[in-house]
Amino acid sequence: SQQGEEDPQALSIQEGENATMNCSYKTSINNLQWYRQNSGRGLVHLILIRSNEREKHSGRLRVTLDTSKKSSSLLITASRAADTASYFCATDADNRLAFGKGNQVVVIP
Amino acid sequence: DVKVTQSSRYLVKRTGEKVFLECVQDMDHENMFWYRQDPGLGLRLIYFSYDVKMKEKGDIPEGYSVSREKKERFSLILESASTNQTSMYLCASRPGASGSNEQFFGPGTRLTVL
Repeated sequence: SQQGEEDPQALSIQEGENATMNCSYKTSINNLQWYRQNSGRGLVHLILIRSNEREKHSGRLRVTLDTSKKSSSLLITASRAADTASYFCATDADNRLAFGKGNQVVVIP
Repeated sequence: DVKVTQSSRYLVKRTGEKVFLECVQDMDHENMFWYRQDPGLGLRLIYFSYDVKMKEKGDIPEGYSVSREKKERFSLILESASTNQTSMYLCASRPGASGSNEQFFGPGTRLTVL
């Protein structure tokens, strides 16, 4: 069943600005993952945060996880036009992923 | 690098036809998954497989079946295609329990059923 729910659904920002997306979920998880999808393509894994971690960084990406609120956020700093894509959170429980509906981000050059 | 390939990028079929979507991965992953993606609904899991000849129903298995005769290949079958199966189909693979938790996706097959 669907777990992750991203908010906001669509975001339009200027190049160089930061983009923040939030994801909420309902049940216990082993980890939470973020994926990116360029238009009409498959998904690409960005970052994974385990249930016992609170924050993780990877390049320009910063992910937080609050298990008490069952929520996560993805921050992309200093955005670039190439960051234009859809971003999905996915919760990992029982060896399968449940994806949110996705968050469309448009970075204007 | 892990590579997941899908047999077709675009496919057009007629209502009632039997449709085969093929997925092949080259990294000896135990787990393979089939999703469909529809606007406003995100990705929904159709079927998955933990090992050769094993299959498990996902969230929306109705109207679909799968086959995993070899470890590297996971096929999705639409026994009698219907217009409501028009969608983007995504295949993914993942290592076994001792490996990474991330899934590796193929490029997708956009299926249109007329």
